[in-house]
Amino acid sequence: DVKVTQSSRYLVKRTGEKVFLECVQDMDHENMFWYRQDPGLGLRLIYFSYDVKMKEKGDIPEGYSVSREKKERFSLILESASTNQTSMYLCASHPSGRAAGELFFGEGSRLTVL
Amino acid sequence: GESVGLHLPTLSVQEGDNSIINCAYSNSASDYFIWYKQESGKGPQFIIDIRSNMDKRQGQRVTVLLNKTVKHLSLQIAATQPGDSAVYFCAERSSGGYNKLIFGAGTRLAVHP
Repeated sequence: DVKVTQSSRYLVKRTGEKVFLECVQDMDHENMFWYRQDPGLGLRLIYFSYDVKMKEKGDIPEGYSVSREKKERFSLILESASTNQTSMYLCASHPSGRAAGELFFGEGSRLTVL
Repeated sequence: GESVGLHLPTLSVQEGDNSIINCAYSNSASDYFIWYKQESGKGPQFIIDIRSNMDKRQGQRVTVLLNKTVKHLSLQIAATQPGDSAVYFCAERSSGGYNKLIFGAGTRLAVHP
């Protein structure tokens, strides 16, 4: 089975802190994604990457950056956390050539910014 | 603009009944649609997909129907079980950008014994 692991399930940070959310997948997938999930808004795409060192902005990239130094790892960075970034963050991966929508998700990282 | 929405935020059904979860989409150029299931404390899990050149697709106990005329998508679950209790998301692939999915807000399915 594909496993997408998000290292932190729950985090509490203060406004202005730098936050790193880590995601690792073990199936050699080329594509990786970061979404945030908020009640009533569904999942919104922050950034995605289709190769090592490559990244593309999603729908809501403001206030976020990403890093993909190795194929299996995709990190989401909040340079200066704000309260409106309190949310559930979901990482996903997808192999090239598979059905376009069949994303494999991690279990999420719930971030609270005080 | 593009949007994917749901008619009902919460659906309660009796165990053994059939469930129908509905979804409206606004982008007539979307060519691919997906349903995901998210159980409490877990990430979304792919259930079934359908391409825009199809009207119906069946899986194990699930059927997805696509009506392009009215831009409507539905997920039917036969003989609903307690393990089906979850939030269900529909998503569409937008017309621009690789593998860019637009998700709906989700519908919570509650199965009662």
